Amino acid sequence: SYELTQPPSVSVSPGQTARITCSADILPNKYVYWYQQKPGQAPVLAIFKDNKRSSVIPERFSGSSSGTIATLTISGVQAEDEADYYCQSTDNSDPPHVIFGGGTKLTVL
Amino acid sequence: QVQLQESGPGLVRPSETLSLTCTVSGESMNDFYWTWIRQAPGKGLEWIGYIYYSGTTINYSSSLKSRVTMSIDTSQNQFSLRLNSVTAADTAVYYCARGGIVLGHWGQGMLVTVSS
Repeated sequence: SYELTQPPSVSVSPGQTARITCSADILPNKYVYWYQQKPGQAPVLAIFKDNKRSSVIPERFSGSSSGTIATLTISGVQAEDEADYYCQSTDNSDPPHVIFGGGTKLTVL
Repeated sequence: QVQLQESGPGLVRPSETLSLTCTVSGESMNDFYWTWIRQAPGKGLEWIGYIYYSGTTINYSSSLKSRVTMSIDTSQNQFSLRLNSVTAADTAVYYCARGGIVLGHWGQGMLVTVSS
């Protein structure tokens, strides 16, 4: 089975840039999706198909993918961005199975 | 704007069957996949599986496949999850969502506790 690897935590000061990575050998041929989950709330789709931003997510959020690593970038982090972030992709099953990364806790210092 | 709402018992005895329903409102269920995800307390997201609106495609997580059944009733705007032979490890917040790969809309989630 495939695994998506994320750092458990990332910390940044307000106004700085946060980068959260998601890595897996399978990623070069797969789209990556990112979800934001605030405490006590359901996840919200933030980025789809590597770099398409959801309409409910601020423009400071962006996504990219190169080789085996996908990155969620938050430029000019704000306190409200403190949350758990999960990457998601699919495996090579037919039909495909969904796989989630372990999640990254973003702390705004 | 589509809305999803999970419902069912919040407490299930060990070895029994967990049954949840997701009610969809605001938009038709047609032409979409519908997904269940769960999240154990303090843990990450775990995909359970998805079902196509017609019921013609159902896809389960390999780790849960032997215990899971999903069904859909578009006339009632609902889809359902059954997980049998539950243990404490199945205690989690269960979410329903619209989509098979891209999960664009989620329910608020429902905590199901497995305990005697």
